[in-house]
Amino acid sequence: DAKTTQPPSMDCAEGRAANLPCNHSTISGNEYVYWYRQIHSQGPQYIIHGLKNNETNEMASLIITEDRKSSTLILPHATLRDTAVYYCIVKGEYGNKLVFGAGTILRVKS
Amino acid sequence: GAGVSQSPRYKVAKRGQDVALRCDPISGHVSLFWYQQALGQGPEFLTYFQNEAQLDKSGLPSDRFFAERPEGSVSTLKIQRTQQEDSAVYLCASSLTATSVVLAKNIQYFGAGTRLSVL
Repeated sequence: DAKTTQPPSMDCAEGRAANLPCNHSTISGNEYVYWYRQIHSQGPQYIIHGLKNNETNEMASLIITEDRKSSTLILPHATLRDTAVYYCIVKGEYGNKLVFGAGTILRVKS
Repeated sequence: GAGVSQSPRYKVAKRGQDVALRCDPISGHVSLFWYQQALGQGPEFLTYFQNEAQLDKSGLPSDRFFAERPEGSVSTLKIQRTQQEDSAVYLCASSLTATSVVLAKNIQYFGAGTRLSVL
């Protein structure tokens, strides 16, 4: 599975959009981009995933560049409860394990 | 509840003790995963079950670690002769399957974990 690179930390003002970048320059054609987050003292929580088209659900939007070498997770109106570690993971269609990096610590501030 | 349940939430063990950590996956989920998360790091894969079959145990750090899922539902991770370096949060995840072309069925749902402290 391809490796990902994320900034170690980011700050965001409450109510503003949080844009979390991820580089995955070695991604292969059949690998998907997944995003999970982990709030303190909880297990990781699935957010969204995509292949090459932009995706949106009730939690977030995922923007994947045309060359698929990077992506951005967007939380449109961040709240204090969105403070967490966000993990960008690249996984094959049938890969049976998630390979987590260090993730990005997102701090939402009032 | 409808989520993945792990017990105990916290476990303190003396070095050399054996421990057993339990995971109750979401009902009907075929696939079950164990991960280990050291302080300040992302989770690391330990092992994977499809029903009762342990298909991948490549992440188990030593032969002191053993996992089972005898009836294809509840799973137990056992650590024998615990060492201080075993101190970590042990996370369990389940998914409906791991091999479906419908990727929503492959999404892993995590429990809150068991925090193991070995003194």
